[in-house]
Amino acid sequence: AQSVTQPDIHITVSEGASLELRCNYSYGATPYLFWYVQSPGQGLQLLLKYFSGDTLVQGIKGFEAEFKRSQSSFNLRKPSVHWSDAAEYFCAVGLYNQGGKLIFGQGTELSVKP
Amino acid sequence: DAGVIQSPRHEVTEMGQEVTLRCKPISGHNSLFWYRQTMMRGLELLIYFNNNVPIDDSGMPEDRFSAKMPNASFSTLKIQPSEPRDSAVYFCASSPGLAGGLFLFGPGTRLTVL
Repeated sequence: AQSVTQPDIHITVSEGASLELRCNYSYGATPYLFWYVQSPGQGLQLLLKYFSGDTLVQGIKGFEAEFKRSQSSFNLRKPSVHWSDAAEYFCAVGLYNQGGKLIFGQGTELSVKP
Repeated sequence: DAGVIQSPRHEVTEMGQEVTLRCKPISGHNSLFWYRQTMMRGLELLIYFNNNVPIDDSGMPEDRFSAKMPNASFSTLKIQPSEPRDSAVYFCASSPGLAGGLFLFGPGTRLTVL
């Protein structure tokens, strides 16, 4: 069955430090992969997506993610975290053989220390 | 485009009452998805439509839940009768299709059932 795992429920980093959020997926075909961010009380905003091609994708707000097929991973990175990045981050796999529906991981809550 | 529009943004009701959530997808998107978000279960797909036709409703929790999409610009999710365990944030999302890459969420409806 298709699934997405985000191993870290909560991460705390200092402002200005680098960030990596982990995501592993299980899917029997080439996946469409997404990262979304959700601020408290808000909806989900698309950060970036991977469909094909270059395995390093750039997104908004200075985020990037790298698709590694051999590791079934799509980790999110940012070189220097800002206090405004504090939010919950969701990784998702899009099932193109099921209408493109998204299966989400449980999310990683990011806290940023001043 | 104003994005995916959901109404109401907040709903407080009493157990046993009927609740109707509404969604207007982005014009031109032919897939529409209803998700539910809770602390315990994260983001769950309830049902999705393609070209106004329900494709997969396996995520609908029970018969108290029903969804319709009478035309390309409107969908409803109804809960009758509502129960306290239905309290959650309900998101609607739309997509232009499998390779569109624009899986966009509405702001959500926060439902509280007392």
